[in-house]
Amino acid sequence: DSGVTQTPKHLITATGQRVTLRCSPRSGDLSVYWYQQSLDQGLQFLIQYYNGEERAKGNILERFSAQQFPDLHSELNLSSLELGDSALYFCASSVGGSLAHNEQFFGPGTRLTVL
Amino acid sequence: TQLLEQSPQFLSIQEGENLTVYCNSSSVFSSLQWYRQEPGEGPVLLVTVVTGGEVKKLKRLTFQFGDARKDSSLHITAAQPGDTGLYLCAGKGSNDYKLSFGAGTTVTVRA
Repeated sequence: DSGVTQTPKHLITATGQRVTLRCSPRSGDLSVYWYQQSLDQGLQFLIQYYNGEERAKGNILERFSAQQFPDLHSELNLSSLELGDSALYFCASSVGGSLAHNEQFFGPGTRLTVL
Repeated sequence: TQLLEQSPQFLSIQEGENLTVYCNSSSVFSSLQWYRQEPGEGPVLLVTVVTGGEVKKLKRLTFQFGDARKDSSLHITAAQPGDTGLYLCAGKGSNDYKLSFGAGTTVTVRA
């Protein structure tokens, strides 16, 4: 158990819909990262937050957005869903957002299926 | 974007055999991490290497960071079925907050 929690574990929805994925980082961690993992593209970095502020952005679509709240939990919002958005979405946390090693601890993931 | 290439993509061996997975890049990394991921679960951090030429051992797993900090290898001795999984390397540049992940090597150890 990494200490990172994600809900829900599974999500099935239809094209065009909007969903929210939730992540709680390990106790004491200030940074949260979101990743998308699909069979054909591996683990893709989406976005990082540090202590409530956006710190780094990866290949995140404009239809996707995220935020980190004062209690440090984070939410990833996916809208206008398409079939290709079906994937595993992972949240990870690390101690800080500094230029240190940033060893990341991953949650169990949310499996999103868009029908 | 710092690209990490892992090889081989797939590896299937018999229990008791040794294996090596490689992680290569043209970029220099301030640190490199190895993760293992089982199907349907999140990646689990195995080790972080920081210094060029560094070698770290974790039971039957040996990790090496290249002298120039551009590449790394993972060697497993006497592999067991429990070593089966997707092995991912991830590098961090000195001016980056994020990690860049390789595509992974899927290792299958047959009993």
